[in-house]
Amino acid sequence: DTEVTQTPKHLVMGMTNKKSLKCEQHMGHRAMYWYKQKAKKPPELMFVYSYEKLSINESVPSRFSPECPNSSLLNLHLHALQPEDSALYLCASSQEATGFEPQHFGDGTRLSIL
Amino acid sequence: GQQLNQSPQSMFIQEGEDVSMNCTSSSIFNTWLWYKQDPGEGPVLLIALYKAGELTSNGRLTAQFGTTRKDSFLNISASIPSDVGIYFCAGRDAGGTSYGKLTFGQGTILTVHP
Repeated sequence: DTEVTQTPKHLVMGMTNKKSLKCEQHMGHRAMYWYKQKAKKPPELMFVYSYEKLSINESVPSRFSPECPNSSLLNLHLHALQPEDSALYLCASSQEATGFEPQHFGDGTRLSIL
Repeated sequence: GQQLNQSPQSMFIQEGEDVSMNCTSSSIFNTWLWYKQDPGEGPVLLIALYKAGELTSNGRLTAQFGTTRKDSFLNISASIPSDVGIYFCAGRDAGGTSYGKLTFGQGTILTVHP
């Protein structure tokens, strides 16, 4: 079992809907990440939070809005998504955001946009 | 941007055979990570490497951090059906300024025939 928990596991939404993805870790990690992954491709970094502050935004469209309410929680708010946004969204965490510490991934949310 | 060349892209082997895959980069890396991803799940960390020349084992898996710091390999000995999945290398560029940002290889899809 992964120590990074993501909910929901699956999400189907229309292009006008607003929904949120949630991620939780209790390993005391101070860095958390959102990735987007297409089938049989590597994860693509979207956002990095370090000590609850956004440190990296990989030029992600504003229809994706991250939020880090506290050191254990990471949300990704979704609004007006496009069909090409259908993918597996992975959350990860690491001790720090220096890159020297390995990142541990959750099992992801499978998102389908109708 | 930085790219990792991972090879082979796919492998079809018989149960019991040994497997070898590798990643090369165009610049020096200071961390190499190997992950395995099963269908419907997130990537799971297999081995983390931090020093040039480092050789680390995890059960039937062995990985090495290349002495040039531009490559890494993963070996799996005596493969079994549950080794099936996608294997990703990932690393952090030593010259990178984006803390926490990992570069991923394109993945090796492993199929094991009983």
